[in-house]
Amino acid sequence: GAVVSQHPSRVICKSGTSVKIECRSLDFQATTMFWYRQFPKQSLMLMATSNEGSKATYEQGVEKDKFLINHASLTLSTLTVTSAHPEDSSFYICSARERTNTGELFFGEGSRLTVL
Amino acid sequence: ELKVEQNPLFLSMQEGKNYTIYCNYSTTSDRLYWYRQDPGKSLESLFVLLSNGAVKQEGRLMASLDTKARLSTLHITAAVHDLSATYFCAVGDNSGGSNYKLTFGKGTLLTVNP
Repeated sequence: GAVVSQHPSRVICKSGTSVKIECRSLDFQATTMFWYRQFPKQSLMLMATSNEGSKATYEQGVEKDKFLINHASLTLSTLTVTSAHPEDSSFYICSARERTNTGELFFGEGSRLTVL
Repeated sequence: ELKVEQNPLFLSMQEGKNYTIYCNYSTTSDRLYWYRQDPGKSLESLFVLLSNGAVKQEGRLMASLDTKARLSTLHITAAVHDLSATYFCAVGDNSGGSNYKLTFGKGTLLTVNP
């Protein structure tokens, strides 16, 4: 199956700093990528949908200025957590949908963010 | 707004037993997914169900879809310890136009005991 790579897999940062997480589709072009957040023992919550070359669409309650999403190419989307605080500590997972729109989504390995 | 309900949320079963996880959803959808998640890991795709009456099997797991009832089931046959994980169903939501997205159930934490 197609491969989606996330980096870093784990990151620890100090409160007030910004952290960037990358999501790459390695062997296919992804017109649409999705960013999810998962708290311990909970389900995945969709944060935003990013389309290549356009602004991301954020879900209700997700702060656009805090979670900056850029989808500059068909193989790369980035999520930047700005001015991170301990409550932003979570598991962030991206997924990508093939350009051919087969419907199947491929998930990255996830990035665990810990804000001290 | 699409709602997805999974039950049970917690399932403890003995090796060798059979059980079924249920996934109900509230509005019409054209596809349903089942995923497995191990602790600290991301999601592993198990099944994609695209049509009414679809049935797919892989090893001890079998998934089915009834679009009229808006119900999918994940049946576990003769459970083994390696199946212990959290299982999520997710339903395709095209209400946002071109931004097709998934809505996830809360997950079922399955523990298979020796």
